[in-house]
Amino acid sequence: QTVVTQEPSLTVSPGGTVTLTCASSTGAVTSGYYPNWFQQKPGQAPRALIYSASNKHSWTPARFSGSLLGGKAALTLSGVQPEDEADYYCLLYYDGARVFGGGTRLTVL
Amino acid sequence: QLQLQESGPGLVEPSETLSLTCTVSGASLRTSSYYWGWIRQPPGKGLEWIGSINYSGKTQYNPSMKSRVTVSVDTSKNQFSLSLSSVTAADTAVYYCARDGGWWGPGTLVTVSS
Repeated sequence: QTVVTQEPSLTVSPGGTVTLTCASSTGAVTSGYYPNWFQQKPGQAPRALIYSASNKHSWTPARFSGSLLGGKAALTLSGVQPEDEADYYCLLYYDGARVFGGGTRLTVL
Repeated sequence: QLQLQESGPGLVEPSETLSLTCTVSGASLRTSSYYWGWIRQPPGKGLEWIGSINYSGKTQYNPSMKSRVTVSVDTSKNQFSLSLSSVTAADTAVYYCARDGGWWGPGTLVTVSS
C-alpha cells in the first residue's frame, strides 16, 4: 500500500514564508509522479493550485509555487495572507493510480 | 467554462449500492484526452481517490476499493458515473467528481444509514 506523507500541521505568521512537503513511501518524488497541490477551506470543495510539480492554474495566486525539493514535492507560500489558512493536499500519480497525502492544516497566526 | 456537477441519492442503506452521476458541461467527454474520476472525503477526514475513466472507457481504480467499484462513462449524455457496492457506514462521505488537471464538482454528501 503506497503512502503519501505530508506534515499534519504548520503555523506561519502573516507575510511569512512556509514550505509544505509531500513524500512517497516508494522513494524520491520525481516529475513522473505529476505532483498536484490542492487547497481546501472549511465547507468547500478542494481547489487545484499546482499541477505537474510546478505549473500554476490561471487562478493560482502568484505567492504559491510548486517544486521538487530533496526527493519530495513541495508547495511554498511566500508572503502568506490570512486567507491562506486552509488544508492543503498533495496528489501523486503511480502508474495509473492516484494517492492523496493526508493533508497539512496551515494556520496563519 | 468547464463545470462538473454530482447527482444521486443522499442516503443509502447498508449493504446496498451507492450510485452517483457526474454531468459535465463546457467540455466533451467524447473528445477529451483527460481522465475523469471520483474522490471522496469522510466527515472530518482527508481525501481518497476512488477511480477514474477516460473517453474510451479505460478505467483505473484504487486497489483498496477495486472489488466494489465501477466507474462508467456515457459520452452521449456527457456524463460519467460511480457505482460502489456493499456499502457500510464507513462509506459515508462527500463524493466529488473531478477531471485530471484540477476541475472539481462541488461535491455531494452521501450518508449510509438504515
